[in-house]
Amino acid sequence: DVKVTQSSRYLVKRTGEKVFLECVQDMDHENMFWYRQDPGLGLRLIYFSYDVKMKEKGDIPEGYSVSREKKERFSLILESASTNQTSMYLCASRGPSFNEQYFGPGTRLTVT
Amino acid sequence: EDQVTQSPEALRLQEGESSSLNCSYTVSGLRGLFWYRQDPGKGPEFLFTLYSAGEEKEKERLKATLTKKESFLHITAPKPEDSATYLCAGVDSNYQLIWGAGTKLIIKP
Repeated sequence: DVKVTQSSRYLVKRTGEKVFLECVQDMDHENMFWYRQDPGLGLRLIYFSYDVKMKEKGDIPEGYSVSREKKERFSLILESASTNQTSMYLCASRGPSFNEQYFGPGTRLTVT
Repeated sequence: EDQVTQSPEALRLQEGESSSLNCSYTVSGLRGLFWYRQDPGKGPEFLFTLYSAGEEKEKERLKATLTKKESFLHITAPKPEDSATYLCAGVDSNYQLIWGAGTKLIIKP
């Protein structure tokens, strides 16, 4: 069965802290994605990666960075957390080209 | 600019009352359209892929259809467990997903 896991379900951080969100998939997928989801705005793509050590900016990359050192793991980094980064963060993975994305359970991050 | 719009934002139905959710899109070079279901506090769960106008897919009480301008998710005789937010996403020419904001469906027993 397909599985995408995220390191935390809930996280509370202070403004200015460095935050790491980790995502692991067990499907040997090449493509991995980080989204944030806010009420009324839908899912917005932050970064994606189509191979190890490769990364591409999505629609809203400002304030974020990513790391993909191994195929199964994709990390999202908030270099200096701000209150406007309070959101639900969703990781997804996908096989080749036109296949559906599989999502993790999400991390609800609150920055105070 | 590519855009996907879902309506209504929220829909309240009685158990057994059939209805449809709408997903209208303007996506250049549309390669297809996905439907997902999302329960509160969870990640989206894949339902359907539609590739071309006229295509239909069914799963239990759900049927998804696609035209050149919109997609519909028809729900027949819904049950309370069908309550969720339903998301659609268009796939553009670069295989990137353009997401709608979702329709929150509430089925009352």
